[in-house]
Amino acid sequence: GESVGLHLPTLSVQEGDNSIINCAYSNSASDYFIWYKQESGKGPQFIIDIRSNMDKRQGQRVTVLLNKTVKHLSLQIAATQPGDSAVYFCAENRPGNTPLVFGKGTRLSVIA
Amino acid sequence: ETGVTQSPTHLIKTRGQQVTLRCSSQSGHNTVSWYQQALGQGPQFIFQYYREEENGRGNFPPRFSGLQFPNYSSELNVNALELDDSALYLCASSLEWRGTDTQYFGPGTRLTVL
Repeated sequence: GESVGLHLPTLSVQEGDNSIINCAYSNSASDYFIWYKQESGKGPQFIIDIRSNMDKRQGQRVTVLLNKTVKHLSLQIAATQPGDSAVYFCAENRPGNTPLVFGKGTRLSVIA
Repeated sequence: ETGVTQSPTHLIKTRGQQVTLRCSSQSGHNTVSWYQQALGQGPQFIFQYYREEENGRGNFPPRFSGLQFPNYSSELNVNALELDDSALYLCASSLEWRGTDTQYFGPGTRLTVL
């Protein structure tokens, strides 16, 4: 069936390096995508979103890239810090009154 | 902090029992969605309430039910608890019901069924 998934379940990076977390989606009709960060013992925290009429959006130290041709979404974190250590989820919204569909998540570990 | 609160933080029940989880939405939000998150998985949609009416439901049995009150706070009720119901239960509030309205999550309630 169609689903949102992630290429890398775990990612370890050195403090100060840039991180790239990837996500694949299979429903070409999906029109809205969100990245959430979830720290241990907490609920998911909204990071950044992007609509399907855009291919790039930047926030504070984060950039989301959307490639609709290959149905791929990525989250780039610049100058990764220990506080960035968490599980990151991408979620997609499909047209109509449909709920968000979350992927399984990628655990980011920052090595000091 | 998102302004979404949930209670209790943790809960332990036994099989067959019933449980009620509570959620207080962010001020001004009239939509609340409930999710179940098993260990190591992404959140799975249970249902959504908009202005006190159920506005969508995921693939969960009828023993999962909910309520939304006039102040837009919400409850999730689970009857006849099963071991597989052990999970983190998350509520998320949003300004409206549209999928493009950002959902803000509470900290969750960790339910353990023995």
